[in-house]
Amino acid sequence: GESVGLHLPTLSVQEGDNSIINCAYSNSASDYFIWYKQESGKGPQFIIDIRSNMDKRQGQRVTVLLNKTVKHLSLQIAATQPGDSAVYFCAHEGRGSNYKLTFGKGTLLTVNP
Amino acid sequence: GAGVSQTPSNKVTEKGKYVELRCDPISGHTALYWYRQSLGQGPEFLIYFQGTGAADDSGLPNDRFFAVRPEGSVSTLKIQRTERGDSAVYLCASSLQHRANTGELFFGEGSRLTVL
Repeated sequence: GESVGLHLPTLSVQEGDNSIINCAYSNSASDYFIWYKQESGKGPQFIIDIRSNMDKRQGQRVTVLLNKTVKHLSLQIAATQPGDSAVYFCAHEGRGSNYKLTFGKGTLLTVNP
Repeated sequence: GAGVSQTPSNKVTEKGKYVELRCDPISGHTALYWYRQSLGQGPEFLIYFQGTGAADDSGLPNDRFFAVRPEGSVSTLKIQRTERGDSAVYLCASSLQHRANTGELFFGEGSRLTVL
């Protein structure tokens, strides 16, 4: 089957530390993965994406790593700030679709001052 | 505003009632999507419009759910004979292109539906 899931439902870190959020995916023809951030009462906000022809992609304070061998995706946030506290979702294109996203359950990141 | 606008932000209704949820996409965005997010879960795809037509409605859970986009801009999600299990946040998103993998999928803040 096709699924996108997360290893850890919650993650608590100290301000200034680095955060790593993980995601596993099962068999899929998708070649595109996205991380979204969702704050309480708001819609998901795009953070960073990666295609399957890449292993790593960096943005501002964020890095996404893709390990196709073990079907694992991770989001690294450097120097985590209180404003990073939110639920983080990984998502990917649905099988055979270039418009339908399949989301994982999400990880709640809490940053302690 | 410049973002995706959804109304109402909150809707409380009684079991069996009819509800309409409205989405106003970003101006010029031809693709529009509805997702549903239950508590503690990720969003789940409901329906996708390209222009005025529903290109894919495979995510609609049953025939009580229907969505329209008559002029290719504003969309309305309609739920008949609401049930308690319909309680969720209904998210609308739009994009300039029809491909989600452009990364340019913008979500609204959602309409929280509570069915008593």
